[in-house]
Order: sequence, then C-alpha cells, then structure tokens
Amino acid sequence: TQLLEQSPQFLSIQEGENLTVYCNSSSVFSSLQWYRQEPGEGPVLLVTVVTGGEVKKLKRLTFQFGDARKDSSLHITAAQPGDTGLYLCAARKSNTGKLIFGQGTTLQVKP
Amino acid sequence: GAGVSQSPSNKVTEKGKDVELRCDPISGHTALYWYRQSLGQGLEFLIYFQGNSAPDKSGLPSDRFSAERTGGSVSTLTIQRTQQEDSAVYLCASSSGTSGTDTQYFGPGTRLTVL
Repeated sequence: TQLLEQSPQFLSIQEGENLTVYCNSSSVFSSLQWYRQEPGEGPVLLVTVVTGGEVKKLKRLTFQFGDARKDSSLHITAAQPGDTGLYLCAARKSNTGKLIFGQGTTLQVKP
Repeated sequence: GAGVSQSPSNKVTEKGKDVELRCDPISGHTALYWYRQSLGQGLEFLIYFQGNSAPDKSGLPSDRFSAERTGGSVSTLTIQRTQQEDSAVYLCASSSGTSGTDTQYFGPGTRLTVL
C-alpha cells in the first residue's frame, strides 16, 4: 500500500499550458515536501509546507497543503520546457527525518 | 565541491557478486540516508544514520544489505550476493538535522545493474 498517492503519474503538455499535480494520503503529516528530479541527478527540494491550508509560491509554481494536512497540490502556470522532470512529494512519518515518497509524476513540456 | 558525492556513478555486476557503494555527505551533516529508486519511480527508504549509529534500518530489503558509517562522515552500502531485482539507482542524502523542515541534500546516485 502506497502511503502517498501521486496523480497523474505521467503528464505531457504543450508549452504555455497550466497543470496540477496531486499528492494524497489517509495519514496526517507534520510537514510535506515537493522535490524535482532531472535525469542522472538526485532530487532537489522545491518547498516545504507545514501548516494546514498553507500556500507557497515559487515563481510560476504554487504549492498548497490541505487543511487536514493529509494532501497537497502543485500547480504550474504557463509551463515551460525547462519544467520538464520528475516531481516527487515526500513526507516524514517519524522524528528520524526519514522521508516517505510518492511514486512521482513525470512531466514533459513540449515546445 | 560542497555537495553530496557518490561513487561509483555506475556499477555493472554479475548476479551473486558483492558490491560496495560509497557516499560522502556534506561536511558537518550529522544525518545520512540511503534510498533506492527504481526506473522513473519514487524513492524507497533503506537506512538512516545519526552520527555513526543507525537508529532506523527498517527499509533494508534483506540481510544481504548492510551499511556502515565511520567518523560521522563517509558511509558504505554493501549488497552481498547481488540479485537482478537489486538493479536500481541508489541515492544518498545528508542533512544537518532531522526536524520536519530540515532539508535533505541528495547525491547524484549510483546506478547498479545486476546481470
């Protein structure tokens, strides 16, 4: 059973389109993180959300943490080819810092 | 460089052989993590170190997998009698702390292929 369910698993869109990626769970988390990973590299942290209902913006990316701290979304406005990559949500289940990852969303933005 | 480094970047081995994967964390980071990633998938936690001790080994798939960390720095992940299902990218990360907002910095990974 996947603790964090991401959807969609694969997304191919044209440059300029908007998109939303979802990360859902039945568990409550104290914090949730979003990472972006490019081929041949490790994941890079984009954002950490900790408060229910919290919204954070990073240029054209908007991250939201659900009110109940069980789910999160990543919205990209006017996607660009440089946004192409694997997007991963991750949450901590204990105080060890160990991260539980979703299965990832592969985004392809065509010029 | 100041980032996490891993070696080798690629490793091809035959089924049944032992392999060692190395991780050099960011200097001063006390926490070190090993994850495994199958093609195009999310990461699967293997083991976590705080200093030289491993409080959480719950993700190690079998007793063929072991890891150690010496001097609070370099870590080695050893896989004995490798199997084809061990083929994956093995990622290491380090962080200065273990709170919910601490950032884990990942290395580029070691791609292991077991023939």
